[in-house]
Amino acid sequence: KAGVTQTPRYLIKTRGQQVTLSCSPISGHRSVSWYQQTPGQGLQFLFEYFSETQRNKGNFPGRFSGRQFSNSRSEMNVSTLELGDSALYLCASSLQGSSYNEQFFGPGTRLTVL
Amino acid sequence: GENVEQHPSTLSVQEGDSAVIKCTYSDSASNYFPWYKQELGKRPQLIIDIRSNVGEKKDQRIAVTLNKTAKHFSLHITETQPEDSAVYFCAASMDSSYKLIFGSGTRLLVRP
Repeated sequence: KAGVTQTPRYLIKTRGQQVTLSCSPISGHRSVSWYQQTPGQGLQFLFEYFSETQRNKGNFPGRFSGRQFSNSRSEMNVSTLELGDSALYLCASSLQGSSYNEQFFGPGTRLTVL
Repeated sequence: GENVEQHPSTLSVQEGDSAVIKCTYSDSASNYFPWYKQELGKRPQLIIDIRSNVGEKKDQRIAVTLNKTAKHFSLHITETQPEDSAVYFCAASMDSSYKLIFGSGTRLLVRP
């Protein structure tokens, strides 16, 4: 099976812009989670989707949003970008959710906000 | 709120020695504890996990122990090798939360 893929791998944006990141889970996986990884804060949970429904959301401002499509692919959007949004954004997929099954991570999207 | 503390932040050992990384979680409802290894520039990968109904689990040179009363869990790597050098993250989760709370990571360096 192909692993989790994320596009694009690298992004450079300026403050105030918005960005959309995409994640394709492993075939058959219905749960997709998103994490923000920064040197200072480590890995922080953004949100989790299962069958197009958001089941949990982390402590991030409303500028961070996501969605999941019927084929389980997921996107996350960050609007009105701030310098502090520069990070590696990782998505992870699992069969039913992180509490129950192994999560497989994608390679991440490195976002730089100038 | 939910929190996972991880220590030490960096650990340097001689090849062949053992390494121990410790984590403490705050929410007593947590019942799933995975450990991830992240090599430089790579994605995190699961190396071992444990559920709250088990006190210890081993997989070759890697073992994880769990003390539910103290809300502690630890990763033990024996006979370390240079390829064990990476950042290790512990995490905690509970049924129906659908999220992993990660520790801050431990950078392990195994000196040849």
